[in-house]
Amino acid sequence: DVKVTQSSRYLVKRTGEKVFLECVQDMDHENMFWYRQDPGLGLRLIYFSYDVKMKEKGDIPEGYSVSREKKERFSLILESASTNQTSMYLCASSLSPPALGHGYTFGSGTRLTVV
Amino acid sequence: GENVEQHPSTLSVQEGDSAVIKCTYSDSASNYFPWYKQELGKRPQLIIDIRSNVGEKKDQRIAVTLNKTAKHFSLHITETQPEDSAVYFCAAGGTGFQKLVFGTGTRLLVSP
Repeated sequence: DVKVTQSSRYLVKRTGEKVFLECVQDMDHENMFWYRQDPGLGLRLIYFSYDVKMKEKGDIPEGYSVSREKKERFSLILESASTNQTSMYLCASSLSPPALGHGYTFGSGTRLTVV
Repeated sequence: GENVEQHPSTLSVQEGDSAVIKCTYSDSASNYFPWYKQELGKRPQLIIDIRSNVGEKKDQRIAVTLNKTAKHFSLHITETQPEDSAVYFCAAGGTGFQKLVFGTGTRLLVSP
């Protein structure tokens, strides 16, 4: 019963390419988030959205943008991919505020390699 | 903004021992403290969470304690089993748009 779906499990892209990572949730959650996960650095917030067409920068937004045209879909865009954006990208969604016992629901992640 | 520190980065225990992971946070306005478990190659999954109006919560072998004055919270796992081996993340947040800030993770290894 997958509830947060990320479109790709693995991606390999070339430096300078524009990259789209897609995330869809079927739980009618208001909040959606994009994190990147790197060894020793934990999960760092890139962008989040609390409503359709609304977005807020997280802690590391440089080089990224996002789009939320529908409530269930939140896209992460790498405008011009660089090798330092090689990482695991995790999408998550939650109610607003996060419900006790439920918190965030994460997708399975997209491992992006930029060559 | 919020900053969360988590220790230790690696923890090795024998099966049946207890394990404790500690986190500190900086924003006194944070009011929600979840813990996530991430098994190898899988997504992080919520294992227990607590709000700031409660000092302790227990769920079978797992418990979380919160000290608001000191701004730290801990995860306690008793009678550890090999299937508890995973990376554990603490997080703090709940203010503003309810975004969470995560710790850097603890790799727990439980040896049979």
